Amino acid sequence: DGGITQSPKYLFRKEGQNVTLSCEQNLNHDAMYWYRQDPGQGLRLIYYSQIVNDFQKGDIAEGYSVSREKKESFPLTVTSAQKNPTAFYLCASRVRAGVSPYEQYFGPGTRLTVT
Amino acid sequence: GNSVTQMEGPVTLSEEAFLTINCTYTATGYPSLFWYVQYPGEGLQLLLKATKADDKGSNKGFEATYRKETTSFHLEKGSVQVSDSAVYFCALTSNSGGSNYKLTFGKGTLLTVNP
Repeated sequence: DGGITQSPKYLFRKEGQNVTLSCEQNLNHDAMYWYRQDPGQGLRLIYYSQIVNDFQKGDIAEGYSVSREKKESFPLTVTSAQKNPTAFYLCASRVRAGVSPYEQYFGPGTRLTVT
Repeated sequence: GNSVTQMEGPVTLSEEAFLTINCTYTATGYPSLFWYVQYPGEGLQLLLKATKADDKGSNKGFEATYRKETTSFHLEKGSVQVSDSAVYFCALTSNSGGSNYKLTFGKGTLLTVNP
């Protein structure tokens, strides 16, 4: 079955360490996205990529970095510069950016706890 | 810019009760509208969508009608079940102004259905 996988489901890190969250999709989607979810705040866009080797900042990109070397993969690195990294991180993809259908499909998420 | 305002809740209902979760929006251009559902500890699943005015999206007994005159997309279900307990997100994407890469979410509404 096609879908989006995120690993691991739970991740624990010490403050000051960088950490990379994995996102893989086998839907053959061009566009991929990273969101952060905090209680009571809905979802906020961190980064997105419309095509391989290209990505753009979303609304809250500070302290994060991404790469898009393969169509299937869009890893997110949470750096030590991110002041409040503890959150639930969701990866999503869409068939193609800019054309219908516009809906995005989400992975199961990674819960990151930094202490 | 685009924005989505939805009933914040929490909403608590008894099984078989009628559900309404209000959602209103502001957007440039002609948005597509979505309802996503998030079960505890999981990612978001697309529940239903509508892409133009007066369209009715429906799935699993849930319905929502795209009302351009009132800029609303209220979610309804005639008889809720315990298994409907989840967080519901209203969202939009607009195909105008170069922003159609991005979903704008409401803050989510927690629904709890008691037996």
